[in-house]
Amino acid sequence: GAVVSQHPSRVICKSGTSVKIECRSLDFQATTMFWYRQFPKQSLMLMATSNEGSKATYEQGVEKDKFLINHASLTLSTLTVTSAHPEDSSFYICSVRRRGPEIQYFGAGTRLSVL
Amino acid sequence: DQQVKQNSPSLSVQEGRISILNCDYTNSMFDYFLWYKKYPAEGPTFLISISSIKDKNEDGRFTVFLNKSAKHLSLHIVPSQPGDSAVYFCAASEGGIDKLIFGTGTRLQVFP
Repeated sequence: GAVVSQHPSRVICKSGTSVKIECRSLDFQATTMFWYRQFPKQSLMLMATSNEGSKATYEQGVEKDKFLINHASLTLSTLTVTSAHPEDSSFYICSVRRRGPEIQYFGAGTRLSVL
Repeated sequence: DQQVKQNSPSLSVQEGRISILNCDYTNSMFDYFLWYKKYPAEGPTFLISISSIKDKNEDGRFTVFLNKSAKHLSLHIVPSQPGDSAVYFCAASEGGIDKLIFGTGTRLQVFP
């Protein structure tokens, strides 16, 4: 069964609006979750590391004020794309880390289309 | 700068035969490698991993080979089945799996 639940699977919104994506760890408590983005014909690129109870760590080139991450509990992290623009249209996907063995489990992803 | 490369965007294999998916990397500090399979509209599913202290890891029909001197790893699927048709991503990390660097993927099609 699914280890990670991501919602919604698809969002179409108008330019300027904000969109929230949820990522839930179903099988275990996750102190760390990850957010990735994938543009067409490109690889998954890590955007940020979400840490429960503390601020997220963003990768170089990712605007923290545009991509707000909240990891309020051990099973839920949210990514909010603020004031979305067409260039933010992409596939966003989250993952949770499990130790022993070291594996990242991925959600099904969210296809964001900004008109 | 693409640190993990999958130079073959697609591969077509007959059912029952061996599928070999390749991955090259440039960062010699990578010490952990993973393969994921992805179906359309789904997230990547973990397949198999290998640490840099090993050169081979096997799990059922899936075997991953690591050649550190060549900075190359490969995934062998034997025998290939139609259900294996998907996009396969290799990923690498350094010092744990907190930051995975993914390749662009190879689309495998297994035909009857």
